[in-house]
Amino acid sequence: QQKVQQSPESLSVPEGGMASLNCTSSDRNFQYFWWYRQHSGEGPKALMSIFSDGDKKEGRFTAHLNKASLHVSLHIRDSQPSDSALYFCAASEHDSGYNKLTFGKGTVLLVSP
Amino acid sequence: EAAVTQSPRNKVTVTGGNVTLSCRQTNSHNYMYWYRQDTGHGLRLIHYSYGAGNLQIGDVPDGYKATRTTQEDFFLLLELASPSQTSLYFCASSDGGGRVNTLYFGAGTRLSVL
Repeated sequence: QQKVQQSPESLSVPEGGMASLNCTSSDRNFQYFWWYRQHSGEGPKALMSIFSDGDKKEGRFTAHLNKASLHVSLHIRDSQPSDSALYFCAASEHDSGYNKLTFGKGTVLLVSP
Repeated sequence: EAAVTQSPRNKVTVTGGNVTLSCRQTNSHNYMYWYRQDTGHGLRLIHYSYGAGNLQIGDVPDGYKATRTTQEDFFLLLELASPSQTSLYFCASSDGGGRVNTLYFGAGTRLSVL
């Protein structure tokens, strides 16, 4: 069973709109979450991490974590065509030291002009 | 920004062939990782290392060997390549310390096993 599940598989939003991506872990040991973004032809790059319940905002990106339900979401405000990419949620048992991340399958985001 | 360089970028081999994928990081990071990316599976960890001479088994290690020769260099070896190993391979590094431990990925190696 996939320990980190993402939804939806793909998402299309208009330029300037709000994109919302979801991620749930089925393993209670996974308490620490990251979002990574991968543009076509490139390696994934870290967007942000979230370790505490509640919201974390970085520019147009806001992550929300609910540890009780092991659910994390990523909201992209004022989406731009350059945000079109594959977004991965990743989870870990630890927030430091050896960082073995378990990745979800990803959500493809398409932002249309 | 952290630099992770993979070579080659593309590789084609035949079933039963030997392949070595190379990765070098210039960030003085302790940890290095090999992942494979497949449609429908996301990124899956093959092997990882926390220093020269160290090797740890990941989640999908079958058919792969790895070797960490220096702090900078991490190699992935496919000694009898099979078509199921056709994939996009990523190397990554991380510092291994501090509370926010980000992985830095290379640009990937696309491997085709015919």
